[in-house]
Amino acid sequence: AQSVTQLGSHVSVSEGALVLLRCNYSSSVPPYLFWYVQYPNQGLQLLLKYTSAATLVKGINGFEAEFKKSETSFHLTKPSAHMSDAAEYFCAVRTDTGRRALTFGSGTRLQVQP
Amino acid sequence: GAVVSQHPSWVICKSGTSVKIECRSLDFQATTMFWYRQFPKQSLMLMATSNEGSKATYEQGVEKDKFLINHASLTLSTLTVTSAHPEDSSFYICSAYGAGGLWEQFFGPGTRLTVL
Repeated sequence: AQSVTQLGSHVSVSEGALVLLRCNYSSSVPPYLFWYVQYPNQGLQLLLKYTSAATLVKGINGFEAEFKKSETSFHLTKPSAHMSDAAEYFCAVRTDTGRRALTFGSGTRLQVQP
Repeated sequence: GAVVSQHPSWVICKSGTSVKIECRSLDFQATTMFWYRQFPKQSLMLMATSNEGSKATYEQGVEKDKFLINHASLTLSTLTVTSAHPEDSSFYICSAYGAGGLWEQFFGPGTRLTVL
């Protein structure tokens, strides 16, 4: 079984400041990890994914995440927050065994202050 | 990228009625689609895996007789909420893997169901 824990249900940053959203995973087999963004009343959009290649993954909109096996973490970062980054962010995990559905974390709402 | 659509985007119905939600893959064929449920300010929870031409696989605790899933073609899966009650009010989201895509799951825009 796999699971994802997102620390911090709400994160508030100032425009231009560093964004750090935390995600820790638990998996008995090598995981595949994803970050999705959700805007109000919309579906999910993939930001980036880790699929056992490079541990530092770059995604869309200037986001990146680093897979750290020793820490079982996959934190999402962006050097400079923009007002348009305000949204809900979900970390998700799946494995290559069995079903291909995703297991999502509880989500982190990012607020960007002007 | 691949596009997944859902219809309707929102629906309000009376308690006891049934509601059908459609999920379509617009530019690719999807042998497998997933149905998720999201309560306000909560995460997505997998309800079932919809397999083209066969029965859906439901997650533990999801009533298969209440949430009927039909995946009749490679581009269409439907979720019917039967005898809906206010506690079924939620945001329902479907997803599918794109053609040849093993990693990216494409999500529909979601359907907001409100049961009065």
